[in-house]
Amino acid sequence: QVQLQESGPGLVKPSETLSLTCTVSGYSINSGYYWGWIRQPPGKGLEWIGSVYHSGSTYYNPSLKSRVTISQDTSKNQVSLKLISVTAADTAVYYCARDATSLDVWGKGTTVTVSS
Amino acid sequence: QAGLTQPPSVSKDLRQTATLTCTGNSNNVGDQGAAWLQQHQGHPPKLLSYRDHNRPSGISERFSASRSGNTASLTITGLQPEDEADYYCSAWDSSLSARVFGGGTKLTVL
Repeated sequence: QVQLQESGPGLVKPSETLSLTCTVSGYSINSGYYWGWIRQPPGKGLEWIGSVYHSGSTYYNPSLKSRVTISQDTSKNQVSLKLISVTAADTAVYYCARDATSLDVWGKGTTVTVSS
Repeated sequence: QAGLTQPPSVSKDLRQTATLTCTGNSNNVGDQGAAWLQQHQGHPPKLLSYRDHNRPSGISERFSASRSGNTASLTITGLQPEDEADYYCSAWDSSLSARVFGGGTKLTVL
Protein backbone atom coordinates (compact mmCIF):
# COMPACT_ATOMS: atom_id res chain seq x y z
CA GLN A 1 0.00 0.00 0.00
CA VAL A 2 1.15 3.54 -0.68
CA GLN A 3 2.74 5.32 2.27
CA LEU A 4 4.14 8.83 2.56
CA GLN A 5 6.59 10.07 5.20
CA GLU A 6 7.56 13.68 5.70
CA SER A 7 10.94 14.58 7.15
CA GLY A 8 13.00 17.67 7.83
CA PRO A 9 14.01 20.15 10.53
CA GLY A 10 11.37 20.93 13.12
CA LEU A 11 12.77 24.38 13.81
CA VAL A 12 13.70 27.03 11.25
CA LYS A 13 14.91 30.57 11.94
CA PRO A 14 13.06 33.57 10.51
CA SER A 15 14.27 34.64 7.04
CA GLU A 16 15.84 31.23 6.44
CA THR A 17 14.70 28.42 4.12
CA LEU A 18 12.36 25.62 5.14
CA SER A 19 13.25 22.34 3.42
CA LEU A 20 11.18 19.18 3.72
CA THR A 21 11.25 15.80 2.02
CA CYS A 22 8.41 13.37 1.40
CA THR A 23 9.50 9.77 0.91
CA VAL A 24 7.00 7.64 -0.97
CA SER A 25 6.85 3.87 -0.55
CA GLY A 26 4.63 1.33 -2.27
CA TYR A 27 4.36 3.36 -5.48
CA SER A 28 6.79 4.85 -7.96
CA ILE A 29 6.20 8.60 -8.27
CA ASN A 30 7.46 8.29 -11.82
CA SER A 31 4.42 6.20 -12.71
CA GLY A 32 1.84 8.95 -12.41
CA TYR A 33 -0.27 11.27 -10.30
CA TYR A 34 0.39 14.61 -8.71
CA TRP A 35 2.24 14.80 -5.41
CA GLY A 36 1.37 17.74 -3.23
CA TRP A 37 2.21 19.65 -0.09
CA ILE A 38 -0.43 21.02 2.25
CA ARG A 39 0.06 22.82 5.54
CA GLN A 40 -2.04 23.54 8.60
CA PRO A 41 -1.13 26.34 11.02
CA PRO A 42 -1.92 25.63 14.69
CA GLY A 43 -5.68 25.69 15.25
CA LYS A 44 -6.42 26.63 11.64
CA GLY A 45 -7.55 25.02 8.42
CA LEU A 46 -5.76 23.39 5.53
CA GLU A 47 -3.77 25.41 3.02
CA TRP A 48 -2.61 23.93 -0.27
CA ILE A 49 1.00 24.83 -1.04
CA GLY A 50 1.50 23.19 -4.41
CA SER A 51 1.95 20.01 -6.42
CA VAL A 52 4.38 18.37 -8.79
CA TYR A 53 3.24 16.07 -11.57
CA HIS A 54 5.14 12.90 -12.39
CA SER A 55 6.34 14.62 -15.57
CA GLY A 56 7.93 17.32 -13.41
CA SER A 57 5.47 20.14 -14.08
CA THR A 58 4.46 22.13 -11.02
CA TYR A 59 1.52 24.13 -9.72
CA TYR A 60 1.69 26.52 -6.78
CA ASN A 61 -0.62 28.42 -4.48
CA PRO A 62 -0.61 31.95 -5.97
CA SER A 63 -0.12 33.45 -2.51
CA LEU A 64 3.06 31.41 -1.92
CA LYS A 65 4.35 31.07 -5.46
CA SER A 66 7.17 33.59 -5.11
CA ARG A 67 8.68 31.65 -2.19
CA VAL A 68 7.98 27.99 -3.00
CA THR A 69 9.74 25.32 -5.01
CA ILE A 70 8.46 21.74 -5.21
CA SER A 71 10.57 19.14 -6.95
CA GLN A 72 10.91 15.40 -7.25
CA ASP A 73 13.80 12.95 -7.14
CA THR A 74 12.59 9.87 -8.93
CA SER A 75 15.76 7.93 -8.12
CA LYS A 76 14.96 8.25 -4.42
CA ASN A 77 11.16 8.27 -4.90
CA GLN A 78 10.97 11.54 -3.02
CA VAL A 79 9.18 14.86 -3.36
CA SER A 80 10.73 17.96 -1.84
CA LEU A 81 9.47 21.32 -0.63
CA LYS A 82 11.52 24.48 -0.26
CA LEU A 83 10.02 27.65 1.20
CA ILE A 84 12.30 30.66 1.38
CA SER A 85 12.26 33.73 3.63
CA VAL A 86 10.09 32.12 6.28
CA THR A 87 8.32 34.02 9.04
CA ALA A 88 6.33 32.97 12.09
CA ALA A 89 3.28 32.76 9.84
CA ASP A 90 4.86 29.72 8.19
CA THR A 91 4.70 27.75 11.44
CA ALA A 92 2.48 24.77 10.70
CA VAL A 93 2.10 21.04 10.33
CA TYR A 94 3.26 20.23 6.82
CA TYR A 95 1.71 17.28 5.02
CA CYS A 96 2.54 15.63 1.75
CA ALA A 97 -0.22 13.85 -0.13
CA ARG A 98 -0.87 11.99 -3.32
CA ASP A 99 -3.23 13.96 -5.52
CA ALA A 100 -4.89 11.34 -7.70
CA THR A 101 -8.53 12.13 -8.30
CA SER A 102 -8.10 14.08 -5.09
CA LEU A 103 -5.87 13.98 -2.03
CA ASP A 104 -6.33 10.29 -1.41
CA VAL A 105 -3.17 9.32 0.51
CA TRP A 106 -1.58 11.50 3.20
CA GLY A 107 1.55 11.39 5.26
CA LYS A 108 1.32 11.79 9.02
CA GLY A 109 2.67 15.32 8.79
CA THR A 110 5.64 17.06 10.32
CA THR A 111 5.57 20.10 12.56
CA VAL A 112 7.74 23.05 11.58
CA THR A 113 8.18 25.99 13.93
CA VAL A 114 9.69 29.23 12.73
CA SER A 115 11.43 30.91 15.62
CA SER A 116 14.78 32.40 16.51
CA GLN B 1 -6.36 32.87 -2.77
CA ALA B 2 -10.11 32.48 -3.14
CA GLY B 3 -11.29 29.64 -0.98
CA LEU B 4 -14.47 27.64 -0.64
CA THR B 5 -17.10 28.61 1.92
CA GLN B 6 -18.14 26.23 4.70
CA PRO B 7 -20.10 26.92 7.89
CA PRO B 8 -17.67 26.97 10.83
CA SER B 9 -19.69 24.58 12.96
CA VAL B 10 -22.61 22.16 12.92
CA SER B 11 -24.11 20.35 15.90
CA LYS B 12 -26.41 17.34 15.67
CA ASP B 13 -27.72 14.67 18.00
CA LEU B 14 -26.44 11.11 18.08
CA ARG B 15 -28.03 8.90 15.39
CA GLN B 16 -29.37 11.92 13.53
CA THR B 17 -28.36 13.15 10.07
CA ALA B 18 -25.98 16.02 9.38
CA THR B 19 -25.58 17.80 6.07
CA LEU B 20 -22.50 19.93 5.55
CA THR B 21 -22.24 22.40 2.71
CA CYS B 22 -19.41 23.86 0.65
CA THR B 23 -19.93 26.74 -1.75
CA GLY B 24 -17.53 27.67 -4.51
CA ASN B 25 -17.93 29.01 -8.01
CA SER B 26 -18.04 27.91 -11.62
CA ASN B 27 -14.24 27.67 -11.77
CA ASN B 28 -13.88 25.16 -8.95
CA VAL B 29 -16.80 23.26 -7.40
CA GLY B 30 -19.05 23.96 -10.36
CA ASP B 31 -16.42 22.85 -12.85
CA GLN B 32 -14.19 20.17 -11.35
CA GLY B 33 -16.43 18.90 -8.58
CA ALA B 34 -15.53 18.69 -4.91
CA ALA B 35 -13.85 16.31 -2.54
CA TRP B 36 -14.53 15.91 1.18
CA LEU B 37 -11.99 15.14 3.87
CA GLN B 38 -12.42 14.27 7.53
CA GLN B 39 -9.82 15.23 10.12
CA HIS B 40 -9.74 14.12 13.72
CA GLN B 41 -7.68 16.15 16.15
CA GLY B 42 -3.99 15.35 15.85
CA HIS B 43 -4.38 13.23 12.73
CA PRO B 44 -3.94 13.84 9.01
CA PRO B 45 -7.05 14.35 6.89
CA LYS B 46 -8.79 11.33 5.38
CA LEU B 47 -10.51 11.37 2.02
CA LEU B 48 -14.24 10.63 2.27
CA SER B 49 -15.40 11.36 -1.26
CA TYR B 50 -14.10 12.74 -4.54
CA ARG B 51 -15.51 14.15 -7.75
CA ASP B 52 -18.76 15.01 -6.02
CA HIS B 53 -20.10 11.61 -5.03
CA ASN B 54 -17.47 8.88 -5.32
CA ARG B 55 -16.43 7.08 -2.16
CA PRO B 56 -12.96 5.53 -1.77
CA SER B 57 -12.94 1.91 -0.72
CA GLY B 58 -13.35 1.45 2.99
CA ILE B 59 -15.45 4.57 3.55
CA SER B 60 -18.76 3.92 5.26
CA GLU B 61 -21.95 4.23 3.24
CA ARG B 62 -23.16 6.58 5.99
CA PHE B 63 -21.12 9.24 4.20
CA SER B 64 -22.63 10.42 0.92
CA ALA B 65 -21.76 13.46 -1.12
CA SER B 66 -23.51 15.37 -3.86
CA ARG B 67 -23.38 18.65 -5.76
CA SER B 68 -25.87 21.15 -7.07
CA GLY B 69 -24.34 23.84 -9.20
CA ASN B 70 -21.55 25.52 -7.27
CA THR B 71 -22.49 23.99 -3.91
CA ALA B 72 -21.30 20.59 -2.73
CA SER B 73 -22.85 18.74 0.19
CA LEU B 74 -21.77 15.93 2.50
CA THR B 75 -24.50 14.01 4.29
CA ILE B 76 -23.68 11.83 7.27
CA THR B 77 -26.46 9.54 8.43
CA GLY B 78 -26.81 7.75 11.76
CA LEU B 79 -24.31 10.03 13.48
CA GLN B 80 -21.84 8.27 15.76
CA PRO B 81 -19.49 9.73 18.39
CA GLU B 82 -16.51 9.01 16.12
CA ASP B 83 -18.00 11.26 13.45
CA GLU B 84 -17.13 14.27 15.61
CA ALA B 85 -14.32 15.86 13.60
CA ASP B 86 -13.41 18.68 11.26
CA TYR B 87 -14.63 18.34 7.69
CA TYR B 88 -13.00 20.07 4.75
CA CYS B 89 -14.05 20.38 1.16
CA SER B 90 -11.55 20.82 -1.64
CA ALA B 91 -11.63 21.45 -5.36
CA TRP B 92 -9.29 22.24 -8.22
CA ASP B 93 -9.74 25.80 -9.44
CA SER B 94 -9.22 25.95 -13.18
CA SER B 95 -8.86 29.73 -13.27
CA LEU B 96 -6.16 29.75 -10.58
CA SER B 97 -4.59 26.44 -11.63
CA ALA B 98 -4.53 25.71 -7.93
CA ARG B 99 -6.29 23.54 -5.39
CA VAL B 100 -8.54 25.39 -2.95
CA PHE B 101 -9.92 24.33 0.41
CA GLY B 102 -12.89 25.39 2.45
CA GLY B 103 -12.25 26.78 5.90
CA GLY B 104 -13.59 23.60 7.47
CA THR B 105 -16.69 22.69 9.48
CA LYS B 106 -16.40 21.41 13.02
CA LEU B 107 -19.06 18.75 13.52
CA THR B 108 -20.20 18.16 17.08
CA VAL B 109 -22.24 15.07 17.87
CA LEU B 110 -24.39 15.72 20.93
